[in-house]
Amino acid sequence: GAGVSQSPRYKVAKRGQDVALRCDPISGHVSLFWYQQALGQGPEFLTYFQNEAQLDKSGLPSDRFFAERPEGSVSTLKIQRTQQEDSAVYLCASSLAQGTLSGNTIYFGEGSWLTVV
Amino acid sequence: GNSVTQMEGPVTLSEEAFLTINCTYTATGYPSLFWYVQYPGEGLQLLLKATKADDKGSNKGFEATYRKETTSFHLEKGSVQVSDSAVYFCALSAYSGNTPLVFGKGTRLSVIA
Repeated sequence: GAGVSQSPRYKVAKRGQDVALRCDPISGHVSLFWYQQALGQGPEFLTYFQNEAQLDKSGLPSDRFFAERPEGSVSTLKIQRTQQEDSAVYLCASSLAQGTLSGNTIYFGEGSWLTVV
Repeated sequence: GNSVTQMEGPVTLSEEAFLTINCTYTATGYPSLFWYVQYPGEGLQLLLKATKADDKGSNKGFEATYRKETTSFHLEKGSVQVSDSAVYFCALSAYSGNTPLVFGKGTRLSVIA
């Protein structure tokens, strides 16, 4: 597609419910990132994939968070047993080359807005 | 660890006013520096970047100079327009292929006609 596409755009989940957020990166992009953006804050890194390999998951806040990219294109971020503090915008980003090397532009999706009630 | 501090908003300016949004950083080594912009209802977009000391990034009339001596990357524009109303994020990436971006908290700019 023309840009990074995320779905759903908006999700309301009851506390304890599992959610799955999908990211379609730009076709051919090697790198894929997930960020969490709480209200009034900047995005915070969650995890990074290079093709299908999850090279960095140091930002995942707990073992309730899990991400995968099994075929090196579409990625899913799954949150189990959601809590109110999980309410945030989840941003997906992709780039053509590895990581954030000089000259490597990272393109962001519009985000999935999760509200846990 | 690496971090970015930017001035808190909101910032409200009249059209054609001069804009400065301050950004300072803490990082080991020689990071790359970025400004991203988020227009209402849209995703983050790269506005400009600089990859080494004294580099000036520029785009759409915005400029920022990488100042290693003051660890700063302030965003400036000589004459803002209503269409510049958005949230602006300063970010850094340490010089490593797989190092994620570290963002500031964002500064909301409102430009009134």
